[in-house]
Amino acid sequence: ELKVEQNPLFLSMQEGKNYTIYCNYSTTSDRLYWYRQDPGKSLESLFVLLSNGAVKQEGRLMASLDTKARLSTLHITAAVHDLSATYFCAVTNSNSGYALNFGKGTSLLVTP
Amino acid sequence: DTAVSQTPKYLVTQMGNDKSIKCEQNLGHDTMYWYKQDSKKFLKIMFSYNNKELIINETVPNRFSPKSPDKAHLNLHINSLELGDSAVYFCASRGTTTSYEQYFGPGTRLTVT
Repeated sequence: ELKVEQNPLFLSMQEGKNYTIYCNYSTTSDRLYWYRQDPGKSLESLFVLLSNGAVKQEGRLMASLDTKARLSTLHITAAVHDLSATYFCAVTNSNSGYALNFGKGTSLLVTP
Repeated sequence: DTAVSQTPKYLVTQMGNDKSIKCEQNLGHDTMYWYKQDSKKFLKIMFSYNNKELIINETVPNRFSPKSPDKAHLNLHINSLELGDSAVYFCASRGTTTSYEQYFGPGTRLTVT
């Protein structure tokens, strides 16, 4: 069974600061995803990471993947209030029919 | 046009009732999923269908029965609703591009009283 651990689960940070969210997973995974969820809303895809060493950036968010360490990071640069949301990482493989196995999510609050 | 749609958005019902949630995607995808998000925001896969056939059935009570009349639709029927079924249910679909990215519907918030 694929297990996914995220930390921290809660993060309060000031605007302008940098921080990293970590995502560890238990067994070999074909793909790793990062999603954003705003309160009462659906999940929005942020990044899809397919191979070891993959790095993707969009605005103030950058995601990376180390398949050997089974670790992905989501780095936040110079946080702004609009980034406040819950961030989920998820992994998948062919054994699960490519269903997503999610971490518990990181609730991020960016304060002035 | 909405890519993945669900109806209803909110559903409030009493214990013991039977209810259905409908999902439709217009992306031309072959594979659709149902996920459950509990009150602690934890997301868990329930079912997966590929081209109208069930390919994953996680440890879900058999009171839950998915039905796929065609590959664009995946409905979820729930019998004898229990308090613990209260959650947000998300439908998702994915195509066959390399990323296997999934697209989520808006969710259905089910409240059982």
